[in-house]
Amino acid sequence: GESVGLHLPTLSVQEGDNSIINCAYSNSASDYFIWYKQESGKGPQFIIDIRSNMDKRQGQRVTVLLNKTVKHLSLQIAATQPGDSAVYFCAERYAGNTGKLIFGQGTTLQVKP
Amino acid sequence: GAGVSQSPSNKVTEKGKDVELRCDPISGHTALYWYRQSLGQGLEFLIYFQGNSAPDKSGLPSDRFSAERTGGSVSTLTIQRTQQEDSAVYLCASSPTLAKNIQYFGAGTRLSVL
Repeated sequence: GESVGLHLPTLSVQEGDNSIINCAYSNSASDYFIWYKQESGKGPQFIIDIRSNMDKRQGQRVTVLLNKTVKHLSLQIAATQPGDSAVYFCAERYAGNTGKLIFGQGTTLQVKP
Repeated sequence: GAGVSQSPSNKVTEKGKDVELRCDPISGHTALYWYRQSLGQGLEFLIYFQGNSAPDKSGLPSDRFSAERTGGSVSTLTIQRTQQEDSAVYLCASSPTLAKNIQYFGAGTRLSVL
């Protein structure tokens, strides 16, 4: 069935280090892959997306890598800060009229000062 | 400007009662979505509105769940005859039609069914 999953439930990093959060997906038909960040008590917040015909996209301090051969998605955060502590979700979407996002289970990122 | 607003923020109800959850999207956003998040889990898609119509209802778990949207703005998610397994955080999001990857979420309604 449809599923987007994450490799590790919790990632702990030192402030200033780079973080890498991984995601495995199962459906090859998805057109977009998206990362969201959710802080405690809040709704998820969009970080960055990548289209299926790309393998890398960069934003501010973040880079998303897509490897369709092995159905793997990763989010790299440079110079991780305490404010980056949150749960990170990957999601996928099919192009077309629907806005349905299929979310993975989430990885908790803990940044140690 | 204001973000997506959901009310109530918390709702405690007894098994078998009906509940209504409200979502006020960002002004001008034509697309509106409902998701459900169980404790420590990812988000589960429920329904998608484009304007007042719902082209994708595939995530509604049973016929006890329904949603409507009026005036292309406010949406209400109704759960009839609530069950304990309905306990979760219900999240609403909105987006412009042409930017469906960037969904703006409200803080959610935490529903507890006793």
